[in-house]
Amino acid sequence: QQQVKQSPQSLIVQKGGISIINCAYENTAFDYFPWYQQFPGKGPALLIAIRPDVSEKKEGRFTISFNKSAKQFSLHIMDSQPGDSATYFCAASEANTPLVFGKGTRLSVIA
Amino acid sequence: GAGVSQSPRYKVTKRGQDVALRCDPISGHVSLYWYRQALGQGPEFLTYFNYEAQQDKSGLPNDRFSAERPEGSISTLTIQRTEQRDSAMYRCASSSRQGVGEQYFGPGTRLTVT
Repeated sequence: QQQVKQSPQSLIVQKGGISIINCAYENTAFDYFPWYQQFPGKGPALLIAIRPDVSEKKEGRFTISFNKSAKQFSLHIMDSQPGDSATYFCAASEANTPLVFGKGTRLSVIA
Repeated sequence: GAGVSQSPRYKVTKRGQDVALRCDPISGHVSLYWYRQALGQGPEFLTYFNYEAQQDKSGLPNDRFSAERPEGSISTLTIQRTEQRDSAMYRCASSSRQGVGEQYFGPGTRLTVT
């Protein structure tokens, strides 16, 4: 059973547009929701994370929106740039347990 | 400062051989995690340590896989009697505090079993 479901699998966005990636989870005990960015040949890099006591967190062009009742969270990339082209993973964990990752979204930002 | 390092970066081995993969976490990081990442997939948990104590090994596929972190710093993931299905990217991550979840990943070791 997949604990964190991520969509879409791939996404193509025009430069300057908004990229939106969604994740849904089942375990209501999850209390930490990070997003990782991975470039080819590199390890995943922590991008931004949120805890369920807030509904939104913004860092620069990256925003996480969190809906506790729907058990969903999403990543929004504003003013998407070609340099944002990468694979993005959502993940979730509860205290003292390892991260559970989604399957990833391959984002391509085209000029 | 230096990030998480892993060695070797690439390992090709013949089926049936044992391999040892090394992870050197960020200095001072308490927790160390091992993941396996298939191509096009997210990292899949294998095992993790707080200091030298192995907290959870539920993700290890079978008893051919083992891990240790004897001094609470460097960790070794050992795969005995390797099989072709063990071929994957093995990633290590560390975090500064227990149970916080902010994990920093290393570059990985690409294992190929022929």
